[in-house]
Amino acid sequence: EVQLVQSGAEVKKPGESLKISCKGSGYSFTNYWIGWVRQMPGKGLEWMAIIYPGDSDTRYSPSFQGQVTISADKSISTAYLQWSSLKASDTAMYYCARLPIAQGAFDIWGQGTMVTVSS
Amino acid sequence: DIQMTQSPSTLSASVGDRVTITCRASQSISSWLAWYQQKPGKAPNLLIYKASSLESGVPSRFSGSGSGTEFTLTISSLQPDDFATYYCQQYNTYSGTFGQGTKLEIK
Repeated sequence: EVQLVQSGAEVKKPGESLKISCKGSGYSFTNYWIGWVRQMPGKGLEWMAIIYPGDSDTRYSPSFQGQVTISADKSISTAYLQWSSLKASDTAMYYCARLPIAQGAFDIWGQGTMVTVSS
Repeated sequence: DIQMTQSPSTLSASVGDRVTITCRASQSISSWLAWYQQKPGKAPNLLIYKASSLESGVPSRFSGSGSGTEFTLTISSLQPDDFATYYCQQYNTYSGTFGQGTKLEIK
């Protein structure tokens, strides 16, 4: 079964760092882009960034450039999203998803990781 | 950035109705348009890609059309399981944006 499994919910304080993960299985992890999508409470979906695990090529949406860092470790089929200094406005559900470039759409989604930033 | 505008924001309909949701792009995106369904507390689910291609396993009552800047998602006969929020998403050279969503409610 093709699936993406994300790390568990996190509760952090403003200014703290965080790295969440997304592990792929059931397919060739290095041959598909992985994207990260934000959904703030009660709001819509936002495209954050994508990474190609085969060579770690990364592309950020302008709104998220410099705000987060994405990476991947192809040896363990895992992609990451990290923050160096969290803000309360980073409180959201974060999804990873597989992006077959030939389709231009996310066909497999992780279950989501809820990040809560509160003092 | 390419902006995506969906209409309506909310749609009330009954089981058995035919419904259409529209998505407009701020510039031409050819056929690089996808549609997703999202239910509360769940990850989105891909319905349509490349404007009109039905994702495997998605019921045939869902269809997509359009190209350039104007696109539609049609549900031919609403079923109880279809009441959810729908998003369009454009893809353009390693970047993308989503529409703001359309909430489909039971009338």
